[in-house]
Amino acid sequence: AQKVTQAQTEISVVEKEDVTLDCVYETRDTTYYLFWYKQPPSGELVFLIRRNSFDEQNEISGRYSWNFQKSTSSFNFTITASQVVDSAVYFCAPSNAGNNRKLIWGLGTSLAVNP
Amino acid sequence: DGGITQSPKYLFRKEGQNVTLSCEQNLNHDAMYWYRQDPGQGLRLIYYSQIVNDFQKGDIAEGYSVSREKKESFPLTVTSAQKNPTAFYLCASGPTGTAFNYGYTFGSGTRLTVV
Repeated sequence: AQKVTQAQTEISVVEKEDVTLDCVYETRDTTYYLFWYKQPPSGELVFLIRRNSFDEQNEISGRYSWNFQKSTSSFNFTITASQVVDSAVYFCAPSNAGNNRKLIWGLGTSLAVNP
Repeated sequence: DGGITQSPKYLFRKEGQNVTLSCEQNLNHDAMYWYRQDPGQGLRLIYYSQIVNDFQKGDIAEGYSVSREKKESFPLTVTSAQKNPTAFYLCASGPTGTAFNYGYTFGSGTRLTVV
């Protein structure tokens, strides 16, 4: 069975601190996709990034960076120099490959960035 | 601009009443999804549809019904059989096939409250 774990329920940081959100995905599938979504207080989910299981190259985009390690099933997301507007709930959502794809949702990590 | 429109934003239901939540997309996406989110929880899949006139139950379909008569529309009816319908409901759409790599697009949600 597939299982996604976001062990951090809540994180609180002071503005300009770096923060890393953890996600572990346990699966027997060899090919899958990993997504991160952000849910601000307004409620709408915003797509942040998608990675393939066969691509372990880390990526940086502005203040965001992602670290994927297939050997440990971890897909972590780092915000550098956090800002108050980063305050939101962040969801890790893996997806199986194949024709009938669906996202599997973690419980989310609530990030509070304080001024 | 393309996107997903959910209406209404807030909805109040009396005991024993059926209510219908609207979801319309103009992204030309084949697949559409309905999720339920309870406070402090992740998203749970209610129903999904990958093609017009076809839909499948998700993990918590009991007490809900859907239709997919048009590609653009995927309304959700919360029936009186759903004993605890108070929640935040999110509709999403996404492409199928390799384009799925770009993930889902979400609506802004409907907050349903039983009064």
